[in-house]
Amino acid sequence: DAGITQSPRHKVTETGTPVTLRCHQTENHRYMYWYRQDPGHGLRLIHYSYGVKDTDKGEVSDGYSVSRSKTEDFLLTLESATSSQTSVYFCAISEREVGSGGYTFGSGTRLTVV
Amino acid sequence: DQQVKQNSPSLSVQEGRISILNCDYTNSMFDYFLWYKKYPAEGPTFLISISSIKDKNEDGRFTVFLNKSAKHLSLHIVPSQPGDSAVYFCAASGLAGGTSYGKLTFGQGTILTVHP
Repeated sequence: DAGITQSPRHKVTETGTPVTLRCHQTENHRYMYWYRQDPGHGLRLIHYSYGVKDTDKGEVSDGYSVSRSKTEDFLLTLESATSSQTSVYFCAISEREVGSGGYTFGSGTRLTVV
Repeated sequence: DQQVKQNSPSLSVQEGRISILNCDYTNSMFDYFLWYKKYPAEGPTFLISISSIKDKNEDGRFTVFLNKSAKHLSLHIVPSQPGDSAVYFCAASGLAGGTSYGKLTFGQGTILTVHP
């Protein structure tokens, strides 16, 4: 399996607090992505990165920010958590933008905002 | 507006029979399509893909069919096994230079249950 780990695996936080989720890879892949999974919506892209310090927004980026200061780490921050951000968050990595095999996903972080 | 749609939330099949999962898309700029499989408490894993220059791709028990004129793709699993029980997502990516290039857009998922 590709070396990709997400931390924490589970988190409960209070409304209004900042939260940071971490994605760490050992594959030296250039591209990294953050998705959220919600019932009825599948997986939706939050932010992605195509290199160190190079990031861009996805379709549901409001309320989220990201940083990538090293190839191996991609951080997702909820600036002020809201109940609508309760979700399962998946990080993914890819060696190329598009190619056979698509992305490799982490195991996910289940975030609950109370 | 959902650009990739899986209109069947669930599918139940008997072991040994064929499972057919369907996916429709609306963005004519999509040119690469993938299927992912997801077990509970795990991340999605890649299953099979197809480029828009093809209409069929096989890998063992799994075959993906693409009908570009209808903007429709399907995944066939033959024969189905209980271990195939999972959520299946279709995904699409767009042409180079377009806004959907390099980013996967996913459908809502279909829960497949294969009964022994």
